[in-house]
Amino acid sequence: AQSVSQHNHHVILSEAASLELGCNYSYGGTVNLFWYVQYPGQHLQLLLKYFSGDPLVKGIKGFEAEFIKSKFSFNLRKPSVQWSDTAEYFCAVSSGGYQKVTFGTGTKLQVIP
Amino acid sequence: DVKVTQSSRYLVKRTGEKVFLECVQDMDHENMFWYRQDPGLGLRLIYFSYDVKMKEKGDIPEGYSVSREKKERFSLILESASTNQTSMYLCASSRRARGDYGYTFGSGTRLTVV
Repeated sequence: AQSVSQHNHHVILSEAASLELGCNYSYGGTVNLFWYVQYPGQHLQLLLKYFSGDPLVKGIKGFEAEFIKSKFSFNLRKPSVQWSDTAEYFCAVSSGGYQKVTFGTGTKLQVIP
Repeated sequence: DVKVTQSSRYLVKRTGEKVFLECVQDMDHENMFWYRQDPGLGLRLIYFSYDVKMKEKGDIPEGYSVSREKKERFSLILESASTNQTSMYLCASSRRARGDYGYTFGSGTRLTVV
């Protein structure tokens, strides 16, 4: 069974700081990779996704993620965070049919004004 | 613009009760999913369905069942609610088309079993 590891459980940054959230997955075959975000009191939303092609994926709100196959990683980055980025971020992976997605345990990001 | 609707935002049920959680999507998606979200554990898949009347067990199906009689509706059933089923329950849907793998989530149902 595939698994997803998010090493940072709680991250606190000041506004304008750079962000990198780690994500590693265990499956060795072809995978699809996702980052979802959950703002306080809101439902989960897709931030970005990778299926194939360019390993550097750009998402909404200035986020990007890089797929490094040799490291089984899909880290999320943003050059300059804003207070409005305060949220919980989930890395996820799917493989095979039916698009069943396995989620990591999430990283809570708190941005201090 | 609501696309995945979960019937209740908050529910309080007693131990041993049979509980029904309903989810409806209006996007004509083939796939539907039920997850539970717990602090520190992320989202864990309970059941999913890729077609009407079809269902597949996820990672934690024990104590749950599902029903999908219509394409747009996917119900999660707790046969006999227990306190360890107190959680946030999330429904999601997606298209089956290859390359379109993003989920659309509902707002969730926070279930408390007392």
